[in-house]
This record gives sequence, structure tokens and C-alpha cells, in this order.
Amino acid sequence: GAVVSQHPSRVICKSGTSVKIECRSLDFQATTMFWYRQFPKQSLMLMATSNEGSKATYEQGVEKDKFLINHASLTLSTLTVTSAHPEDSSFYICSAPGDNYGYTFGSGTRLTVV
Amino acid sequence: GNSVTQMEGPVTLSEEAFLTINCTYTATGYPSLFWYVQYPGEGLQLLLKATKADDKGSNKGFEATYRKETTSFHLEKGSVQVSDSAVYFCALSKYNNNDMRFGAGTRLTVKP
Repeated sequence: GAVVSQHPSRVICKSGTSVKIECRSLDFQATTMFWYRQFPKQSLMLMATSNEGSKATYEQGVEKDKFLINHASLTLSTLTVTSAHPEDSSFYICSAPGDNYGYTFGSGTRLTVV
Repeated sequence: GNSVTQMEGPVTLSEEAFLTINCTYTATGYPSLFWYVQYPGEGLQLLLKATKADDKGSNKGFEATYRKETTSFHLEKGSVQVSDSAVYFCALSKYNNNDMRFGAGTRLTVKP
């Protein structure tokens, strides 16, 4: 079945640095990738939708200059958290539309900013 | 707009107990309905789905029936195991896969 590979699974970075998270569709082409943020014990919050070959669409309240999204190819989408701060610490998950209206999720990235 | 409401947790059960997690939805037309499961520290995995009214999705002993008359998609399992401990999300999707909405999630803990 469709697989989305997300890396890294965990990352710890210092305040002020940038972190890049990658999501790759392994055996299918993903023209669209969704990026979510999940706070502890809460549901997924859609941050943005990336589309191959065009600019990402950000949800209201999400800073596009802070969360840079690049959909470089049909199999790769990246989220870069720029100038990270402790409040950016969270669990970030990507997903791509699969068949029959389901989504295929990456395994998530636990970001800790110290 | 489209939305999903699921019962709040946490839910704690003993092994072999019966599980029900309620989910209701609000949507125009005919959405597809899903249950996803999230194990600790992992992403979400599709547990089961139903794409039209009266369909029953099932997987790993879990079942849910798409009830249009009550706009519900309750998750059930007859006998839970410790390994079922996870967070369960109800979700709906319409319009070419680009409008997935998730419930708040229900944390299930099964004790031996």
C-alpha cells in the first residue's frame, strides 16, 4: 500500500536555529501533501497544504514565513521551521491523499526546541 | 461547515471489555467516514473506513457502521486487548480528498 516516509522522527534544536522535516511518498506520487501540528493530548491541527509546482496554502493563523513549505517534486515535501522557539515544540505530521478518500500519514516528527 | 464530534476521553477499560467510542458528524451531502488510530509517538494509521450510508467498516476486530439517519459512525470492539491502548480519531472527508476533518481524539487505555 501507499507509504509516506517522514524524517527525522525526533529532533532537538537550539532556539533561533532552523529545522527541516521531510516527507516522501515511497511508491506513489503525491501532488498534494498536508502538514499538521499536534499538541499533547490534542487533535491534529492542519497547518498548510502543499502542492507540487505551486505555493503552499496556509491555514488561518499559521505564519508562512516561519513555517516554510516546499513541494519540490511529486514525491517530496518539506517543512522548515525557521528561527525556532520553545513554543514551536510539538509533534508534526504529514499526510498525502491515498485511494478511496483515505489519507496516508507519515510517522511524525517530535520537535523539541531548547 | 463539515465537522466531527467524538466522545471525550480518556476511556479506561479492563481487558476483554466491550468498547464503544461515539462519533457524530455534520456535513452536507455524503462524506466518507474514517477511524484512525495513533499509538504513542507515532503517526496515524487508518483503522477502518466507510464511504456510503449503511456501509460497515471493520478491521482487527473493530467495527463501525455509517448511519446517515443519526449522522453517526460509532467505533465498537467486542473484546479489547492491552495492545489496543492508543488514541482513536474519527474523521470525515469530502471533495476529492482535500477536506479531511478530525475529531478531537479519544484516548483508550486497556488494563490487564
